[in-house]
Amino acid sequence: QKEVEQDPGPLSVPEGAIVSLNCTYSNSAFQYFMWYRQYSRKGPELLMYTYSSGNKEDGRFTAQVDKSSKYISLFIRDSQPSDSATYLCAMPLMVTFGTGTQLKVEL
Amino acid sequence: KAGVTQTPRYLIKTRGQQVTLSCSPISGHRSVSWYQQTPGQGLQFLFEYFSETQRNKGNFPGRFSGRQFSNSRSEMNVSTLELGDSALYLCASSLLRGQPQHFGDGTRLSIL
Repeated sequence: QKEVEQDPGPLSVPEGAIVSLNCTYSNSAFQYFMWYRQYSRKGPELLMYTYSSGNKEDGRFTAQVDKSSKYISLFIRDSQPSDSATYLCAMPLMVTFGTGTQLKVEL
Repeated sequence: KAGVTQTPRYLIKTRGQQVTLSCSPISGHRSVSWYQQTPGQGLQFLFEYFSETQRNKGNFPGRFSGRQFSNSRSEMNVSTLELGDSALYLCASSLLRGQPQHFGDGTRLSIL
């Protein structure tokens, strides 16, 4: 079993939709969690990180952690075409990454 | 504040050659990690350096090596290049070990 599992997509949504991106992990030692956004031909950009269970909000983005289920989510409200990118979840300990979910927001 | 800078951005090599990639971390950041990104395998951890010492190493052959200098700048070297080494090589830095990392835009290496 991989340490981090992420649905690769692609995920296509209409502009303005609420997007839910998810990851599951197996190592209960992970204490904080990160989401990165990667545009084509660019490096991953740190979007959000959270150290605890519950929700963390930053503008249109909300990161949610459920440690009991080993499940993390990233919600994007009012999605825009500029949100079209690959989203990667990541955990510490040699920074383990999910394979990324490719998101396309269509006009 | 300047971000993580990687040079060169693109590189074409042939099998059997060796290559050196360079990374300048964000000013003040002391931890530098390297990753290989391919469409099939995603982002895979290569190694982490802190205070000029390799602290962690991923599951890659010994042909992949790296080092960190006293100014925190880092280089990685790949010897005896193989076709499968074609990938985007990403460098990431953080203030200290165990903190969220910031990435450069990578060096795209193509092996012919």
